[in-house]
Amino acid sequence: QSVLTQPPSVSGAPGQRVTISCTGSSSNIGAGYDTHWYQQFPGTAPKLLIYGNNNRPSGVPDRFSGSKSGNSASLAITGLQAEDETDYYCQSYDSSLGSSLFGGGTKLTVL
Amino acid sequence: QVQLQESGPGLVKPSETLSLTCTVSGGSISNYYWSWIRQPPGKGLEWIGYIYNIGSTNYNPSLKSRVTISVDTSKRQFSLKLSSVTAADTAVYYCARGPRSSSWYGDYWGQGTPVTVSS
Repeated sequence: QSVLTQPPSVSGAPGQRVTISCTGSSSNIGAGYDTHWYQQFPGTAPKLLIYGNNNRPSGVPDRFSGSKSGNSASLAITGLQAEDETDYYCQSYDSSLGSSLFGGGTKLTVL
Repeated sequence: QVQLQESGPGLVKPSETLSLTCTVSGGSISNYYWSWIRQPPGKGLEWIGYIYNIGSTNYNPSLKSRVTISVDTSKRQFSLKLSSVTAADTAVYYCARGPRSSSWYGDYWGQGTPVTVSS
């Protein structure tokens, strides 16, 4: 089980809003370390979606947003589109481990 | 535009050393945190470690005893060596660039290279 816990799957209908949670602890997200989010399509490299909790790299639509509260972070996707159906990963740093780490990943299904 | 390209053998025998190189084109190779990440078939991402400039490294504790990451700035390359490999090290290996350390994130990634550990 990952130190950063994500739901294995989430789903939503086109146009809806979905959120993906990333639950950590007092040694990572809760300690104030930033959370980052990636989108990964099958057979391709991860793409940076959100960095520093709530910042979007150039070119990422504003339908994607990040937030953080306590020991958890969330990725929100509004105006869900069929092309958003893929895997999403959170990432942070853990002071107990002394290294960066990823969540287990969440598969988003667009109904 | 920054581009990263992994290269190395796609097949490694058990107990041997896996060696991969990442070539960086476009942008500076200095003052960034150059990392390796891997993804076993059908599984999630695992951060392996990074190197900053010449001598500063940080490794995943679970792999630390077997991992060495080095950089050759003159060739614009950084490398991964993973010793004593087993089937559990079979994965797609990615190289990536990070702008910072403790809250590392990868803003540019290579396309990934598959490595199979098998006799």
